[in-house]
Amino acid sequence: SQKIEQNSEALNIQEGKTATLTCNYTNYSPAYLQWYRQDPGRGPVFLLLIRENEKEKRKERLKVTFDTTLKQSLFHITASQPADSATYLCALGSSNTGKLIFGQGTTLQVKP
Amino acid sequence: GAVVSQHPSWVICKSGTSVKIECRSLDFQATTMFWYRQFPKQSLMLMATSNEGSKATYEQGVEKDKFLINHASLTLSTLTVTSAHPEDSSFYICSATSGLSSTDTQYFGPGTRLTVL
Repeated sequence: SQKIEQNSEALNIQEGKTATLTCNYTNYSPAYLQWYRQDPGRGPVFLLLIRENEKEKRKERLKVTFDTTLKQSLFHITASQPADSATYLCALGSSNTGKLIFGQGTTLQVKP
Repeated sequence: GAVVSQHPSWVICKSGTSVKIECRSLDFQATTMFWYRQFPKQSLMLMATSNEGSKATYEQGVEKDKFLINHASLTLSTLTVTSAHPEDSSFYICSATSGLSSTDTQYFGPGTRLTVL
């Protein structure tokens, strides 16, 4: 069955450092992959989308890579700030249905 | 732009009662809305896909008679949890997309916390 794995343990880093979050998947060939931010008690907020034929996408301090051979996506936040502290979810998408399958998320804590 | 609202933001009800949750797209027409459920420290689980004017498509294991979905207009979808029980307590989140492209971004509502006593 389809499986998505994100770092289950919280990631703690110092302000100013680069945070790197991992999303691995098996038994699936997504047409695209998305990253969302979720704060406690809130709905997810869309950050970035990367398609299967794209290797890398950037948006301000965010960078996403997508390796369909390794079945892995990496999500980087450069020059991290305490305000970046949240749970980050990766989601795999099907071009046929538009449905998303979510990972369980990784909680990032940026300390000042 | 692309704002999705949910109402109520939280609800507490007695076991056996029914609860209705509304999901509205405020500044765009949503041809497709999705309903998710999220338990503490777990992933969002898709419950059903709702297209305006047609019956919802439910994911495997989701009881369609218990979770009634109505998508009567391009800006409103409702989820009714019928005869709620404590195990239905969860965080329910909707999302909406304009559906112009299969890779359209899903815009999520703020979620509704349901507690069944």
